Amino acid sequence: DAGVTQSPTHLIKTRGQQVTLRCSPKSGHDTVSWYQQALGQGPQFIFQYYEEEERQRGNFPDRFSGHQFPNYSSELNVNALLLGDSALYLCASSPGLDGTGELFFGEGSRLTVL
Amino acid sequence: QQQVKQSPQSLIVQKGGISIINCAYENTAFDYFPWYQQFPGKGPALLIAIRPDVSEKKEGRFTISFNKSAKQFSLHIMDSQPGDSATYFCAAIKIIGNQFYFGTGTSLTVIP
Repeated sequence: DAGVTQSPTHLIKTRGQQVTLRCSPKSGHDTVSWYQQALGQGPQFIFQYYEEEERQRGNFPDRFSGHQFPNYSSELNVNALLLGDSALYLCASSPGLDGTGELFFGEGSRLTVL
Repeated sequence: QQQVKQSPQSLIVQKGGISIINCAYENTAFDYFPWYQQFPGKGPALLIAIRPDVSEKKEGRFTISFNKSAKQFSLHIMDSQPGDSATYFCAAIKIIGNQFYFGTGTSLTVIP
């Protein structure tokens, strides 16, 4: 049973560029959340997708956008990259919008903005 | 505003010792309190969790103590092992909507 898978694992971009990160949820999970984890910090909630709609959003600017596909996989897009966007981006999945109070995380995509 | 406050930031413990990490929260609407373990280069993995109607939960060497009136909870790692060296995050959740709020993490080093 594959867990949460993310791609790419590492990437380097320059300021002003755009990036797309991808996530496939754990089998049986239909809700995907994205988190940003800066070095030495806890994960910060970006947004959550369920039934192909953004259901909740954290305190992140509109430069951060996402999408969920019919197969429950998801993308995170960040436009006009800033140096401060350098972080580990984590995708997490759960079964259902309310879930069981558990999140299953992928190993993350490490983004470096130069 | 940090919804969950975690301490200490780092912790060094001798092998066989007890590791204790503390968290505090303000929002009484939280109804689930998990701890996550994260190794370098990996995503966080659920370690143990507790609901607020229980004061203690033990799974193997890991125990959560929960004080609802003080709005505090802690993770105790008994007989700490070098393999426990990782970063630990507490979290507080509103299950309806699955809203997670993480602490800032504690880097644990267990010295052989």
